[in-house]
Amino acid sequence: DAGVIQSPRHEVTEMGQEVTLRCKPISGHDYLFWYRQTMMRGLELLIYFNNNVPIDDSGMPEDRFSAKMPNASFSTLKIQPSEPRDSAVYFCASGATQGTEAFFGQGTRLTVV
Amino acid sequence: AQSVTQLGSHVSVSEGALVLLRCNYSSSVPPYLFWYVQYPNQGLQLLLKYTSAATLVKGINGFEAEFKKSETSFHLTKPSAHMSDAAEYFCAVSAYGNNRLAFGKGNQVVVIP
Repeated sequence: DAGVIQSPRHEVTEMGQEVTLRCKPISGHDYLFWYRQTMMRGLELLIYFNNNVPIDDSGMPEDRFSAKMPNASFSTLKIQPSEPRDSAVYFCASGATQGTEAFFGQGTRLTVV
Repeated sequence: AQSVTQLGSHVSVSEGALVLLRCNYSSSVPPYLFWYVQYPNQGLQLLLKYTSAATLVKGINGFEAEFKKSETSFHLTKPSAHMSDAAEYFCAVSAYGNNRLAFGKGNQVVVIP
């Protein structure tokens, strides 16, 4: 398997624009996580899915953020409208069964100017 | 809820010297514990994990960690640092039955020639 695939790797956008980050998890994994990494706050869990169903979105910072998982092989994280404080590296990770490790993608570095 | 504490954001070690990164956890249920490594502009890669089997866990690149329940610790060690060990290291915890990981703030390791 190619691992967790995220796109794009880098995104630069203007404040107020909509941003969509994409993730393809490892085939067969039933958990999918979205994390955000910043210097100030470290790695934060935004939301996670189990079998395509959102389980906990308490980490989503505000209503401007939304995430979907329409099928087992694809998820999106959308920010609308984007703000400069959303600038961060966003990681997608997937995991299989219970209590195992998460496998991370390469991340999307988002810059909002 | 689970959490981990990593002290000392930056750790400098001489090439050939012992690497020791400390991690203490808090968990209301038996934990699963992980160490991940992140190289610049990369995702997180699993170094090793503890999942209630042997308390001394060996990982990749010569790293190992020991689970000590009495001390609620899971410190990471490597006997002899190599220049290629320069990276950021994260300790993480989850509960059995839940792949959700809670990460520490990370340790940026600098290896001095």
